[in-house]
Amino acid sequence: DVKVTQSSRYLVKRTGEKVFLECVQDMDHENMFWYRQDPGLGLRLIYFSYDVKMKEKGDIPEGYSVSREKKERFSLILESASTNQTSMYLCASSLDSTRVAKNIQYFGAGTRLSVL
Amino acid sequence: DQQVKQNSPSLSVQEGRISILNCDYTNSMFDYFLWYKKYPAEGPTFLISISSIKDKNEDGRFTVFLNKSAKHLSLHIVPSQPGDSAVYFCAASSNTGFQKLVFGTGTRLLVSP
Repeated sequence: DVKVTQSSRYLVKRTGEKVFLECVQDMDHENMFWYRQDPGLGLRLIYFSYDVKMKEKGDIPEGYSVSREKKERFSLILESASTNQTSMYLCASSLDSTRVAKNIQYFGAGTRLSVL
Repeated sequence: DQQVKQNSPSLSVQEGRISILNCDYTNSMFDYFLWYKKYPAEGPTFLISISSIKDKNEDGRFTVFLNKSAKHLSLHIVPSQPGDSAVYFCAASSNTGFQKLVFGTGTRLLVSP
């Protein structure tokens, strides 16, 4: 079974703090993704990575950065947290689709972040 | 611009009946479609998918239909069970999208006993 683990289920931070959200996958997947989920807006892609040290902006990258130093780990960084970054953050991973026919992403349980 | 739309935010169905969840898309480059199910406080889990070369895919109680000319897909759950109560997201990808998924806004399904 694919396992995607997010280090925290709940986080409460103050405005202006630097926040790190960690994600680890154990299935040797090439691709990793960070989303945020907000009511009425679905899942929106923040950043993704298709290889170690590689990163690509998603649809809403402003205010975020990412780090992928190892294949199994993908970190999301909020440089200076703001209240509008209060959300559910979801990490996902997938195999390179040149290796498999199906482009299925596997998700972690999510981190609910509150910025006060 | 919302490329994948789920126009019904919620759906209520009685146990044993059919649930039909709908999804529309605008990008004709999408060639692979997925449905995910999400319970509160959990991540989405993959449910069923369909390639654009097919118009139907079944897996047990779940069937996905794809109408390419209408750019519409639907998920049928028969028979619906209370444990199916969750938020359902449809998602789409294209060969040119670098394996990204574009998600809809979700439909909350409530199956009552």
